[in-house]
Amino acid sequence: GENVEQHPSTLSVQEGDSAVIKCTYSDSASNYFPWYKQELGKRPQLIIDIRSNVGEKKDQRIAVTLNKTAKHFSLHITETQPEDSAVYFCAASMGAAGNKLTFGGGTRVLVKP
Amino acid sequence: GAVVSQHPSWVICKSGTSVKIECRSLDFQATTMFWYRQFPKQSLMLMATSNEGSKATYEQGVEKDKFLINHASLTLSTLTVTSAHPEDSSFYICSASSGLAGGIGEQFFGPGTRLTVL
Repeated sequence: GENVEQHPSTLSVQEGDSAVIKCTYSDSASNYFPWYKQELGKRPQLIIDIRSNVGEKKDQRIAVTLNKTAKHFSLHITETQPEDSAVYFCAASMGAAGNKLTFGGGTRVLVKP
Repeated sequence: GAVVSQHPSWVICKSGTSVKIECRSLDFQATTMFWYRQFPKQSLMLMATSNEGSKATYEQGVEKDKFLINHASLTLSTLTVTSAHPEDSSFYICSASSGLAGGIGEQFFGPGTRLTVL
């Protein structure tokens, strides 16, 4: 089955700096890669996703890049703010409505004011 | 749109009792629902995939007789933790997926249920 590795497990950045989280996946059939933000005790919230037919997607301060050949994808957060502090999870699936997500181990991001 | 609710949000029970958690898709029909378990400071671990009207598919290592899943309608799935023990204490989260509600593959998560077994 699919295996998703996520690095780093913790990330501390100064407010205004950029944060980058990287994930690798094992199943070349995976074609849907969402990123979730989870605050303590809350549900995961989708912040951005990318499908395998594109290499990059951007939404304001958040961007995701995908390298299908190397089977890795990354989340980039620019101009970080204290409210970006949370746990971020990457995931991978084969993209159909009934296909399960395999999650990475998570990255705890702390943005220091 | 694409709202998923869970009930209860938290529950405390005695060891040996059973607990039922409900997951509802409020504004769309969920052909597939997923149940996850999340221990403190860990990732979401998929327990089972549930399709309306059919038996759930359990992940390796998840006891199907202990975690009973019913997906009787396109808007409701239930997870029953039978004979709960302290090691079952965890955050249980459901998600729902429909090719119509969002992009294909997107899952919408419920708010989670925190189970504490004494």
